[in-house]
Amino acid sequence: GQSLEQPSEVTAVEGAIVQINCTYQTSGFYGLSWYQQHDGGAPTFLSYNGLDGLEETGRFSSFLSRSDSYGYLLLQELQMKDSASYFCAVRAAHNTDKLIFGTGTRLQVFP
Amino acid sequence: DTGVSQNPRHKITKRGQNVTFRCDPISEHNRLYWYRQTLGQGPEFLTYFQNEAQLEKSRLLSDRFSAERPKGSFSTLEIQRTEQGDSAMYLCASSPWGDRADNEQFFGPGTRLTVL
Repeated sequence: GQSLEQPSEVTAVEGAIVQINCTYQTSGFYGLSWYQQHDGGAPTFLSYNGLDGLEETGRFSSFLSRSDSYGYLLLQELQMKDSASYFCAVRAAHNTDKLIFGTGTRLQVFP
Repeated sequence: DTGVSQNPRHKITKRGQNVTFRCDPISEHNRLYWYRQTLGQGPEFLTYFQNEAQLEKSRLLSDRFSAERPKGSFSTLEIQRTEQGDSAMYLCASSPWGDRADNEQFFGPGTRLTVL
């Protein structure tokens, strides 16, 4: 089967840094994406890693290690509005656009 | 607003009834996806289209589910003989033409289905 594992919940305070991990086991691998979803809202794209290493987009960074089947999302200078669920997603084959999503991590940011 | 739109936003139906949902993607996007999401879980892939062609359908999708995109623009997802286990949020997403490596998908607000 194909699976992406994430911690179910993470808590942090405003201004802090938090890391959300994702380990994947899929039949193929063509990139790891991260999506944010606020309660009652639609998932929105945050970042993508196709190759090993770190990608930075403002306060958010994402890392990938293909040899370890592992990635993480790093959120810096946390704000209350960052409280949401975060999903990693894998494109598992070159001839498909479908994404396989992880179980999701609920981030709660406290003042 | 030129984002992905879905209608209806909420649907309550009785077991055994048929339901149909509509998705209007971002106008210049040629790829359209349907996902299902239950509480506390990530979106689960159902099917996707490139223009009017249905390119892939999840093996988890029973024969009661059918999707169409007749003119390569909007899409409909129909569930026949609904069951309580079909209760979920049905999400539609679209992505633009081209083999973008990041395959960023733009999601709509979803249709929440409750089967009584």
